Formats: sequence, C-alpha cells, structure tokens
Amino acid sequence: GAVVSQHPSWVICKSGTSVKIECRSLDFQATTMFWYRQFPKQSLMLMATSNEGSKATYEQGVEKDKFLINHASLTLSTLTVTSAHPEDSSFYICSARGPGQAYEQYFGPGTRLTVT
Amino acid sequence: SQQGEEDPQALSIQEGENATMNCSYKTSINNLQWYRQNSGRGLVHLILIRSNEREKHSGRLRVTLDTSKKSSSLLITASRAADTASYFCATPQGGSEKLVFGKGTKLTVNP
Repeated sequence: GAVVSQHPSWVICKSGTSVKIECRSLDFQATTMFWYRQFPKQSLMLMATSNEGSKATYEQGVEKDKFLINHASLTLSTLTVTSAHPEDSSFYICSARGPGQAYEQYFGPGTRLTVT
Repeated sequence: SQQGEEDPQALSIQEGENATMNCSYKTSINNLQWYRQNSGRGLVHLILIRSNEREKHSGRLRVTLDTSKKSSSLLITASRAADTASYFCATPQGGSEKLVFGKGTKLTVNP
C-alpha cells in the first residue's frame, strides 16, 4: 500500500517551453503532497506543499509563477515548470503523507528534467 | 534550511560488515525518520523513531535516538551489495508535516 507514482520519469525539453509533471497516489487519498528538487549528489530541497482544493504553499526562494502547482483531486498533484531554462534541469520528486495519521512520507520515483 | 546532518558523507564497506550512519539535528522534534535512495530513484521510507523512543529495530536495521544530544544513528547489520544507496535522515520542520532532509550518507557495499 501507499504507492506514489510520477509521470514522466524523464523529460527533455527546449528552453522556453513548459513541462508538466504528474504525481499520483495510487491506493490512498492524499490531501497534502510535497514537491522536492534534488541536484546531483545533494539532498532534497522542499519546493512547495500542495494542498487539495487550495493554493500551494511555496518555500522561500521558490518562484510560484515559474513552478505552478495544482492539486486537482485527492490523488493527483501536478507541477508545471513554465518557461524552462537550463538551470531548471534537475531531479523533481513528489511525496505524500501516508494514509491516516502516518508521519512518514511516500515518495514517487522522481522525474529527471533536462532543459536544452 | 537543512536540519539533519549525516555523518559520514560516504562510507564504503565489504559485504557482511555492519554500516553505521549518524545524523544530528538542531531543534526539538517529535519523530525522526530514515530514508533510502537508490541512484536516480525516489526515496523509500525505512524507519521512524518517535521522540519518546530510544531504540527501534526493523529487520537488519537498528535506529537509536538521543534527544539530549539531538542525534540519531542508523545501523545496518550484515550488509549486502543491495544495500548500496544513499541514506537520509529527516525531521519534521517545526510542528508541520514538512520534512527537512539531511545531506545524506552514500553507502557502498562491495561484494
């Protein structure tokens, strides 16, 4: 149980285009999902908290107009990288808290974004 | 901001040996979690220890927590090549659901 999927697993796009990444909780409902960014050989940095039915909460320094988050349902959150630039190339990972009162988070497999 | 700091940054051992990783944090917590990340993949939750627990076991994993020293350790016994991965500790940020991750320990288990 508590499986989180991400799509796509990798994507290459050209500078100036937008890319959408989907995060789904497959067997549980997730009112809250989290989006992280990870640079090579570094830790995860929380970008934003995605709340179903309301606006996402962004961490300091994260541009909300560039990283659009939509939590359309209890099982789906999307991250859209708008007007992507090479510096946006990174590994993006989503997670969701487990069902019930679980503290632990369940992570998707990640999306490798390369902007050329 | 990163709260957890793992030590060492990298660890290389032989199969069958034990691996110990340490994590220090800065503020009061109600739980501490350990995750594993295989290269280029998402994270897998390993174990959670609550602030009122001192030690917890799960299979070959043993986690300790010392709230007075604000530190935790993860011990993997009888390591296997498949244990090769990066290991992160994570603590809740304030009283929120957000997790703050340490920099991680990259473990290599040589067959």
